[in-house]
Amino acid sequence: EAQVTQNPRYLITVTGKKLTVTCSQNMNHEYMSWYRQDPGLGLRQIYYSMNVEVTDKGDVPEGYKVSRKEKRNFPLILESPSPNQTSLYFCASESGNLVNEQFFGPGTRLTVL
Amino acid sequence: AQTVTQSQPEMSVQEAETVTLSCTYDTSENNYYLFWYKQPPSRQMILVIRQEAYKQQNATENRFSVNFQKAAKSFSLKISDSQLGDTAMYFCAFMKPLHGSGNTGKLIFGQGTTLQVKP
Repeated sequence: EAQVTQNPRYLITVTGKKLTVTCSQNMNHEYMSWYRQDPGLGLRQIYYSMNVEVTDKGDVPEGYKVSRKEKRNFPLILESPSPNQTSLYFCASESGNLVNEQFFGPGTRLTVL
Repeated sequence: AQTVTQSQPEMSVQEAETVTLSCTYDTSENNYYLFWYKQPPSRQMILVIRQEAYKQQNATENRFSVNFQKAAKSFSLKISDSQLGDTAMYFCAFMKPLHGSGNTGKLIFGQGTTLQVKP
């Protein structure tokens, strides 16, 4: 089954404790992206990657890091999480051909205390 | 910068009735894409319908259709014969192709409209 997976689905952590949210897609997509969803703000892009070893900032990159060492994986790293990073996070991928549809993972609910 | 505005935070409709969700956007681009996504309580993001800006014909997917007014920068979603399973948050989104690639880009989302379908 073609899908985007994220782990963990739920995470409660404390300020300053480094964490990684993993994202993996099995569709051989070149483009991957991370978004965060906050009430009243919709989804906003954090980082994106056009291909392996190619990443760039989105609209709200502060406090986040990403890497793209393999085509299928695009982890989101919070080196020192803060309470304002409490949010719902989505990973998405897109093939880069004419389809233009981004496939979303199931979301990760992160709470930083 | 592109922006997307959904001015209706919440809406409700009776089962089997028709409802229209509004969306406006701001861009100076001529080539772009517009989407409606559905987010049910499971939080999964589900693509409902897509419209290419160069196409004048409004997109339709079964009970879902759009009214795309390019000059007015308006992109509303009409849901006909509403069903209980349509209860969800709906997001309007704009995509401008990145780096001239034509096919991959950042989605810019509106604030969302929560739709409640009542039995």
